[in-house]
Amino acid sequence: AQSVTQLDSQVPVFEEAPVELRCNYSSSVSVYLFWYVQYPNQGLQLLLKYLSGSTLVKGINGFEAEFNKSQTSFHLRKPSVHISDTAEYFCAVTLRDNTNAGKSTFGDGTTLTVKP
Amino acid sequence: IAGITQAPTSQILAAGRRMTLRCTQDMRHNAMYWYRQDLGLGLRLIHYSNTAGTTGKGEVPDGYSVSRANTDDFPLTLASAVPSQTSVYFCASSDGVNEQFFGPGTRLTVL
Repeated sequence: AQSVTQLDSQVPVFEEAPVELRCNYSSSVSVYLFWYVQYPNQGLQLLLKYLSGSTLVKGINGFEAEFNKSQTSFHLRKPSVHISDTAEYFCAVTLRDNTNAGKSTFGDGTTLTVKP
Repeated sequence: IAGITQAPTSQILAAGRRMTLRCTQDMRHNAMYWYRQDLGLGLRLIHYSNTAGTTGKGEVPDGYSVSRANTDDFPLTLASAVPSQTSVYFCASSDGVNEQFFGPGTRLTVL
């Protein structure tokens, strides 16, 4: 079975500062990796994903993440945050197994609060 | 319709009543999922479906049932609601490999 750990439940940061949201996973087989964002009273939407290829992936709103296989990590970064980035962020993994119905395991979420 | 829709947006329900949450997608995705989201517990999978005609149990299936009569629709039924089922419910779909697409959610309160 796979698991996802988001190492910080809350991350407060000032506007225009850099931010890193940490995600570690465990799995006995290869996985696909995702970061989702959830704004208040909305559903989750995809920020970025790693399926294969370059380990540095870029997403929407200036976010990027790096897949580190040896450390089983997929940390999310942004060099300069805005007030509008205040939201809940979820890391998720899906097994590279087409019998799994694409089921994802989600972390518990990290609340990013950007202060003026 | 664009993406995934859920109905109702919110509902207050008396304990013991039956309730069906509706979910429809227009992306022709094979896989669909139902989650509940509770503060401090993240997203928990209730039921899922690989393809039309098949369903499976997730992490917290008790008290819920689903059906998948066609590709587009995946309703979630609470046969006899209890207060512990108060939550925000999200439906999602995917092609089974790539990301999941989420609906806007249904906020359910069981009194």
